Amino acid sequence: QSALTQPASVSGSPGQSITISCTGISSDVGSYNLVSWYQQHPGKVPKLIIYEVNKRPSGVSHRFSGSKSGNTASLTISGLQAADEADYYCCSYAGFWVFGGGTKLTVL
Amino acid sequence: QVQLVQSGAEMKNPGASVRVSCKASGYPFTGYSIIWVRQAPGQGLEWMGGISPYNDNAKYVQTLQGRITVTTDTSTNTAYMELRSLTTDDTAVYFCARRGNGASFDSWGQGTLVTVSS
Repeated sequence: QSALTQPASVSGSPGQSITISCTGISSDVGSYNLVSWYQQHPGKVPKLIIYEVNKRPSGVSHRFSGSKSGNTASLTISGLQAADEADYYCCSYAGFWVFGGGTKLTVL
Repeated sequence: QVQLVQSGAEMKNPGASVRVSCKASGYPFTGYSIIWVRQAPGQGLEWMGGISPYNDNAKYVQTLQGRITVTTDTSTNTAYMELRSLTTDDTAVYFCARRGNGASFDSWGQGTLVTVSS
């Protein structure tokens, strides 16, 4: 039950797009289309922004999108805004759940 | 609206146990599993375990097996997480969340800070 691998940090300027990768193994990310992504601002509760690889919950901006190829899932945020600065976590179901280590997004 | 309200902060000595509650409202409690996630200071999210209030089927992360028990009380729509033999490494914010579509966690409690210190 090893954690999924995410980059520790990414950055981008307002208006740009960034992508955060999330690498697992064939028995988690590679086997299930059950990858979800969470946004967490400092001191706040995590918020679901993507589920089932690429679906957005009601109320989540279309600027957030997800994809998957093989054992790697990705979260793309387009049209970066200052409010997007937060920590982002991927999570995969594999009969149990495993999170990524988290990625800190800095909006320059 | 869906709401999960957790019990308050706890301070425990090493070796003690802690029980955190999570009261659900705004949806049919037995229709959705409750999961528990913790976050140590400055660290990432860790899935701890989960339970179906419908049939009490529970799963736990391997690293906590034997120390953790999650239960539900359907008469009060409340889930509980008990962690035993606490060490300083268990100092963290503990969250409950509802399992929603696609094995995601769509609603979260506000978090409960558990501090283990002598």
